[in-house]
Amino acid sequence: AQSVTQPDIHITVSEGASLELRCNYSYGATPYLFWYVQSPGQGLQLLLKYFSGDTLVQGIKGFEAEFKRSQSSFNLRKPSVHWSDAAEYFCAVNQGGKLIFGQGTELSVKP
Amino acid sequence: DGGITQSPKYLFRKEGQNVTLSCEQNLNHDAMYWYRQDPGQGLRLIYYSQIVNDFQKGDIAEGYSVSREKKESFPLTVTSAQKNPTAFYLCASSPPFYANTGELFFGEGSRLTVL
Repeated sequence: AQSVTQPDIHITVSEGASLELRCNYSYGATPYLFWYVQSPGQGLQLLLKYFSGDTLVQGIKGFEAEFKRSQSSFNLRKPSVHWSDAAEYFCAVNQGGKLIFGQGTELSVKP
Repeated sequence: DGGITQSPKYLFRKEGQNVTLSCEQNLNHDAMYWYRQDPGQGLRLIYYSQIVNDFQKGDIAEGYSVSREKKESFPLTVTSAQKNPTAFYLCASSPPFYANTGELFFGEGSRLTVL
């Protein structure tokens, strides 16, 4: 079965600093990969997705992610974090039409 | 606007009572899903339905039941058999099978607290 691992449960960064959230997956073929963001008490919003082609994908809110097959990773990055980016972030992989989610990384932003 | 509507947003119930969470979508999506979210555990799939009048168990279906009588609606019943029902419940949908890349569209969730 496929799985998704987000090694960092909680990350704190200063406003304006760069951000990288880690995601590793296990899957035999090229996966469909996603990053979602969730504000407290809300549903999930899609940030970006990777299906094929260019391994660097751009998303909303200035986020990007890079698919690295050799490392089975799909890390999320942002060059300069804003206070409004504080939220929980979920990496997910498509398994037969169902999404398998990682455990999430909670991002806090210091002023 | 098209979207997914979950109701109620907050629900309190006593132990032993069944409760039903509503999920309605007007996106014309074929597939619908219910996830449960607990702190530090990510999202776990309860049930999903790829088409009207058909649904499958997810990873944690015990103590839950669903129906899919209409394309737009996928209600979830949390029964008294669910040992730990207090959680945040998320409903989602995805486009028709021919266009399905796995991307999900989520409602805003329902928080159930059992007293």
